Amino acid sequence: GAVVSQHPSWVICKSGTSVKIECRSLDFQATTMFWYRQFPKQSLMLMATSNEGSKATYEQGVEKDKFLINHASLTLSTLTVTSAHPEDSSFYICSARGTGRQPQHFGDGTRLSIL
Amino acid sequence: SQQGEEDPQALSIQEGENATMNCSYKTSINNLQWYRQNSGRGLVHLILIRSNEREKHSGRLRVTLDTSKKSSSLLITASRAADTASYFCATDATTDSWGKLQFGAGTQVVVTP
Repeated sequence: GAVVSQHPSWVICKSGTSVKIECRSLDFQATTMFWYRQFPKQSLMLMATSNEGSKATYEQGVEKDKFLINHASLTLSTLTVTSAHPEDSSFYICSARGTGRQPQHFGDGTRLSIL
Repeated sequence: SQQGEEDPQALSIQEGENATMNCSYKTSINNLQWYRQNSGRGLVHLILIRSNEREKHSGRLRVTLDTSKKSSSLLITASRAADTASYFCATDATTDSWGKLQFGAGTQVVVTP
């Protein structure tokens, strides 16, 4: 149980394109979802926390107009990287947790490469 | 920002040996969690230890927590090639368990057959 599906797993696109990444909880209701960014051989950096039906809370230094997060349902959150540039290339990982004392369950990540 | 430091940064051992990695953190915590990440994949939750616990076991994993020193250790006994991965500690400082996590820098473990 507690499976989180992240799609796509890999995307390559041209500079200036907007890219949408989906994070779905398949077998539980995710009241809270988290979006992380990870550079090669580095740790995870929390970008934002989203609660279903509310605006996301962004960490300091993360541009909310650049990284649009939508958590419209209890099973789906999306991260849209708007007008992506090469410096946005990274590994993006989502996690989701249900109500009560539940752990975070992670998706398999999306490798984003902007040419 | 990252909450803690982990050492060593990298560890190379042979199958059957034990692997120990340490994590230090800076602020008071509610609990500390350890995760494993295989190359290019997401994270897998391994074990959680609460601030009022000192030691916890799960299979071949043993975690200790010393809140006075703000440090934790993860021991993997009788390592296998499949244990090759990066290991991260993560601290939860919220009163609501399983809240926002701050990750350490990670230890890259390579287990050779």
